[in-house]
Amino acid sequence: ETGVTQSPTHLIKTRGQQVTLRCSSQSGHNTVSWYQQALGQGPQFIFQYYREEENGRGNFPPRFSGLQFPNYSSELNVNALELDDSALYLCASSLSRTSGSYEQYFGPGTRLTVT
Amino acid sequence: SQQGEEDPQALSIQEGENATMNCSYKTSINNLQWYRQNSGRGLVHLILIRSNEREKHSGRLRVTLDTSKKSSSLLITASRAADTASYFCATGAYYNNNDMRFGAGTRLTVKP
Repeated sequence: ETGVTQSPTHLIKTRGQQVTLRCSSQSGHNTVSWYQQALGQGPQFIFQYYREEENGRGNFPPRFSGLQFPNYSSELNVNALELDDSALYLCASSLSRTSGSYEQYFGPGTRLTVT
Repeated sequence: SQQGEEDPQALSIQEGENATMNCSYKTSINNLQWYRQNSGRGLVHLILIRSNEREKHSGRLRVTLDTSKKSSSLLITASRAADTASYFCATGAYYNNNDMRFGAGTRLTVKP
């Protein structure tokens, strides 16, 4: 198991609500990336944080936002939830902001269900 | 949009047999990585191969990379029931190396 933790494990929300997901990165890692994984699909890159700044974003609307804290833990916030937001949300930490050059350590994920 | 495309989508084999999964991608890359995922849990990194490498080994895993064909393969030798999982390739684009693109994965089932 990696040292990356996520909370909560499962979450059920209603359409239109807001949600905050949390991630604690592997010790010593200054970069956190967030992914959305729909059922039967591969993870889709949402955005990455490096030293508390957003360092790249995938094709997700502005209602997906994030934060990284001085201890490199991170939050993913989603506003105005839609049914299609139902997915497994994964965070991954790495040693470098160039995630393509280093292995990423994934957390177990948060399963979000929007009804 | 997803960069890597794994093939086949699903693969079922007997324990002890070899499993080969393929990945194709579209744009130039710096590196390609393979990950394993068990039943909707977090992904586990298996191997990273750089664009200037052609083959890499790790235990029972062998990965090849052909940048001219924009393709990679993952071979698992002497498979075990515990290898049952989904396998994903992920690429870091040459122009934007922090944006990892995953394919839809190959679902491998190893029967005891």
